[in-house]
Amino acid sequence: KQEVTQIPAALSVPEGENLVLNCSFTDSAIYNLQWFRQDPGKGLTSLLLIQSSQREQTSGRLNASLDKSSGRSTLYIAASQPGDSATYLCAVNHDNQFYFGTGTSLTVIP
Amino acid sequence: NAGVTQTPKFQVLKTGQSMTLQCAQDMNHEYMSWYRQDPGMGLRLIHYSVGAGITDQGEVPNGYNVSRSTTEDFPLRLLSAAPSQTSVYFCASSRSPETQYFGPGTRLLVL
Repeated sequence: KQEVTQIPAALSVPEGENLVLNCSFTDSAIYNLQWFRQDPGKGLTSLLLIQSSQREQTSGRLNASLDKSSGRSTLYIAASQPGDSATYLCAVNHDNQFYFGTGTSLTVIP
Repeated sequence: NAGVTQTPKFQVLKTGQSMTLQCAQDMNHEYMSWYRQDPGMGLRLIHYSVGAGITDQGEVPNGYNVSRSTTEDFPLRLLSAAPSQTSVYFCASSRSPETQYFGPGTRLLVL
């Protein structure tokens, strides 16, 4: 069974810092990996999707990398802003099912 | 496009009652799925469908039924609600297993 882990569970940084969120998974036979953002009491918003054949994807200040062989992905956020405060979740698509990590709760302090 | 819509937004049930959580999407997506989100456990897949007439079980299917008679709709039925089913339920859709789009969620409390 695929297990997805996200470290750290919570992170607090001052505004302007660059930061890295980590995601690891136990079975490297994935179809793709997706990073989401969730605001309190809201649904999930897709940030980036990386196919299993890709190494990274970029969108604005966000960069996600994937090392499938080692079972790891990172989400890099550049020049963090208070509006980036949210919970970030990663999910892997394995055998036509999506498996989610428990998320990293990010607080960016003005 | 309305995207993925879910109703109701909030529901209180008594143990043993049944109800249906509604999910609809207007993006002509083949793939739809239901998740529950519990504190400390992340999102867990309940059931999913890869097209009209096709459904399959996810990680935590017990106590839930689904059907997919149209591309647009994917209702989730609780046959006999239990307190352990208190959770936030999310519906999602995608064009095949690609970028998923989530609904706003349904908060369910079972007393």
